[in-house]
Amino acid sequence: SQQGEEDPQALSIQEGENATMNCSYKTSINNLQWYRQNSGRGLVHLILIRSNEREKHSGRLRVTLDTSKKSSSLLITASRAADTASYFCATDEYSGNTPLVFGKGTRLSVIA
Amino acid sequence: EAGVTQFPSHSVIEKGQTVTLRCDPISGHDNLYWYRRVMGKEIKFLLHFVKESKQDESGMPNNRFLAERTGGTYSTLKVQPAELEDSGVYFCASSQDSGPYGYTFGSGTRLTVV
Repeated sequence: SQQGEEDPQALSIQEGENATMNCSYKTSINNLQWYRQNSGRGLVHLILIRSNEREKHSGRLRVTLDTSKKSSSLLITASRAADTASYFCATDEYSGNTPLVFGKGTRLSVIA
Repeated sequence: EAGVTQFPSHSVIEKGQTVTLRCDPISGHDNLYWYRRVMGKEIKFLLHFVKESKQDESGMPNNRFLAERTGGTYSTLKVQPAELEDSGVYFCASSQDSGPYGYTFGSGTRLTVV
């Protein structure tokens, strides 16, 4: 089955810097989503990008999608300590009503 | 609107014991999903309920795992007997429509088998 693979596995930056996380997947998809998990909390949906879109913005988040390379990136600009969390990409297969498939995640630490 | 509620939030049990996790979805959400994250690995799909029926249980690892959703409301996931490799965080999500949109996740249950 397809699988999202994020890199890096861990990222540590200073507050105010930008953070970029990447995700690769294996098969054709309908959509790609990014989720965040704060320690001890559930997964929170951040943004969804459809397979026919190349870039999407939401506040300080910018997501790109390159279906030819089967990859996506999540950019968080002007990071804050509160952005410290694990970030996961999730894909759904092109073929139909299938559950989301998540990757291993990137652990982001933003140091104040 | 109340979110997806999972309990317990943490559970530590000995190998060979039984543990039951519970998930209360958002009221009116017919779709309920269980996922699991083993330490350092990806979040893996376990199964999907539509109301009380199992729509897809292809991710259930083995017959030590039993999921139920009696009456199409809350769901339980029982692990019996628990093994060390069952340790991880178990997430539940619900959605109104089938398909990969509009998932609301619970906070998860951290299960530690010692």
